[in-house]
Amino acid sequence: EVQLLESGGGLVQPGGSLRLSCAASGFSFSNYGMNWVRQAPGKGLEWVSVVSRSGDTTYYTDSVKGRFTISRDNSKNTVFLQMNSLSPEDTAVYYCAKKAIPAKGQYFDYWGQGALVTVSS
Amino acid sequence: AIQLTQSPSSLSASVGDRVTITCRASQGISNALAWYQQKPGKAPKLLISEVSNLESGVPSRFSGGGSGTDFTLTISSLQPEDFATYYCQQFSNFPLTFGGGTKVAIK
Repeated sequence: EVQLLESGGGLVQPGGSLRLSCAASGFSFSNYGMNWVRQAPGKGLEWVSVVSRSGDTTYYTDSVKGRFTISRDNSKNTVFLQMNSLSPEDTAVYYCAKKAIPAKGQYFDYWGQGALVTVSS
Repeated sequence: AIQLTQSPSSLSASVGDRVTITCRASQGISNALAWYQQKPGKAPKLLISEVSNLESGVPSRFSGGGSGTDFTLTISSLQPEDFATYYCQQFSNFPLTFGGGTKVAIK
């Protein structure tokens, strides 16, 4: 059974940093691109970032470029999102999401339960 | 970035109704479109990939169609468990983008 378990969320002050982790199990982790998608309270879904299978290719949405860094450790089946210079606009539930099929486009067949990040003073 | 505009943003319908949600892309995206269902407090669930490919386990009352810039998600006979918010997502170009969502409520 595929499982994605996020951790590391919490309350942080504006300008602060937080590191999210997503521990994966139940599939061959190193064969799949991994993504982060967020959802602000009461709002829609926003894609944040993707990391390739090997970790050497990453993309970001414009609003987090230069502030967030996605990475992965295939030996630990874990993907990370380092978030710096956080602002209240980053307040959201952050979901880890698995690319559905390696050879296909970047859509997501499994999602974690989400980690709440609250940026507030 | 490619913008996805969903309509309507919300609708009220009864069990048994046929419901159609539209997703319009700001530029052509070929068949690079997926649909998700999200219930309150839960993660999204993939329903349809590549415009019309129904995911395993998804009821056949769900169907997707369209091409180029205009796409639809249709529920042929709405069931109680279908009341949720639906999102389209394009994966033609980075940044990946989602539509604003369509909330399907009980009439």
